[in-house]
Amino acid sequence: DTAVSQTPKYLVTQMGNDKSIKCEQNLGHDTMYWYKQDSKKFLKIMFSYNNKELIINETVPNRFSPKSPDKAHLNLHINSLELGDSAVYFCASSPRQGKAFFGQGTRLTVV
Amino acid sequence: SQQGEEDPQALSIQEGENATMNCSYKTSINNLQWYRQNSGRGLVHLILIRSNEREKHSGRLRVTLDTSKKSSSLLITASRAADTASYFCATDGGYGGATNKLIFGTGTLLAVQP
Repeated sequence: DTAVSQTPKYLVTQMGNDKSIKCEQNLGHDTMYWYKQDSKKFLKIMFSYNNKELIINETVPNRFSPKSPDKAHLNLHINSLELGDSAVYFCASSPRQGKAFFGQGTRLTVV
Repeated sequence: SQQGEEDPQALSIQEGENATMNCSYKTSINNLQWYRQNSGRGLVHLILIRSNEREKHSGRLRVTLDTSKKSSSLLITASRAADTASYFCATDGGYGGATNKLIFGTGTLLAVQP
């Protein structure tokens, strides 16, 4: 059973489009995250949710909007995609102050 | 930015040798974690060390933590070709346990030559 699953795995889209990435965890964790990994492998936290509540929003353009319908899901919607949004986006979940479990990543390519 | 730094950025060794990676961070922490990322894959948790611990072992992994220097090291002994991956340290940002925010270092790319 996959602990943290995100879809799609690959996403190629044109500039200006709107797209969503979905994430689900079956571990019963309270906290979920979105991270962005750029071409230099830097992992930057974007959002953190705790029990469906937004805890952290790290200087992310408001074109990025996370949505957590319940504590097992944290989706990421991106409006008006730009070339600079191309990256690998990782969803993760963790218990409080514990180890995080990561999804396999979504490689977003904006053309 | 609270992002930590790791060094070296890249490390190439022969199978059987030991690999040491260092991590420095900037804020107070509750714990520090190490993760591994194989090419094209997600991150996998390796080991967690709490702020009141100085050393921890897990199989061929040994982690040390020096909170006075805000630094940690990961030692992989008797390396194997399968250890080839990127290794990241992560700290929890020291928010006093009120929240959970993992801040990752810049990573060390380890290549183990057979």
